[in-house]
Amino acid sequence: KQEVTQIPAALSVPEGENLVLNCSFTDSAIYNLQWFRQDPGKGLTSLLLIQSSQREQTSGRLNASLDKSSGRSTLYIAASQPGDSATYLCAVSHSGGGADGLTFGKGTHLIIQP
Amino acid sequence: DGGITQSPKYLFRKEGQNVTLSCEQNLNHDAMYWYRQDPGQGLRLIYYSQIVNDFQKGDIAEGYSVSREKKESFPLTVTSAQKNPTAFYLCSSSSAEKLFFGSGTQLSVL
Repeated sequence: KQEVTQIPAALSVPEGENLVLNCSFTDSAIYNLQWFRQDPGKGLTSLLLIQSSQREQTSGRLNASLDKSSGRSTLYIAASQPGDSATYLCAVSHSGGGADGLTFGKGTHLIIQP
Repeated sequence: DGGITQSPKYLFRKEGQNVTLSCEQNLNHDAMYWYRQDPGQGLRLIYYSQIVNDFQKGDIAEGYSVSREKKESFPLTVTSAQKNPTAFYLCSSSSAEKLFFGSGTQLSVL
């Protein structure tokens, strides 16, 4: 059974720092991997989706990489801002279209200090 | 505005009571999902539906039931058989590979 682990569980850094969030998964036979952001008491917002054939995806200050063979993904946040404070979750899918849902990690709770 | 609407935002259940959480989407998506989130935990799949009048059990379906009579609606009933229902419930729908989420319902037991 697929297991997704996110490290660290919590992270607090001063504003302006670059930071890296880590995600690992036990079964490398994935279809894609997604990074989500969740604000307190809210639903999830998709940030980046990486297909299994891709190595990375970029959106603004966010860059996600995928090393499928080693079962790892990282989310790089450049020049962090207080508005980046949230919980970040990664999730892997084993089928296109998410037909069987996703397997989620427990998330990294990020606090950016002004 | 296109999106997923969950209601109510907060719900309280008495002992032995069934309660129903609403999820409506106007994104014209075929696939819809219900997840449960406990504090400090990842999301766990309860039920999913890929098409109207069809749905499948997820990892933690016991104590829950769903229906999919219309494409845009996927209500979740938390039955009295679910002994630990207190959690944050999230509904989502998908287009191709991207998931969209509602804002969630917090269910608590009185």
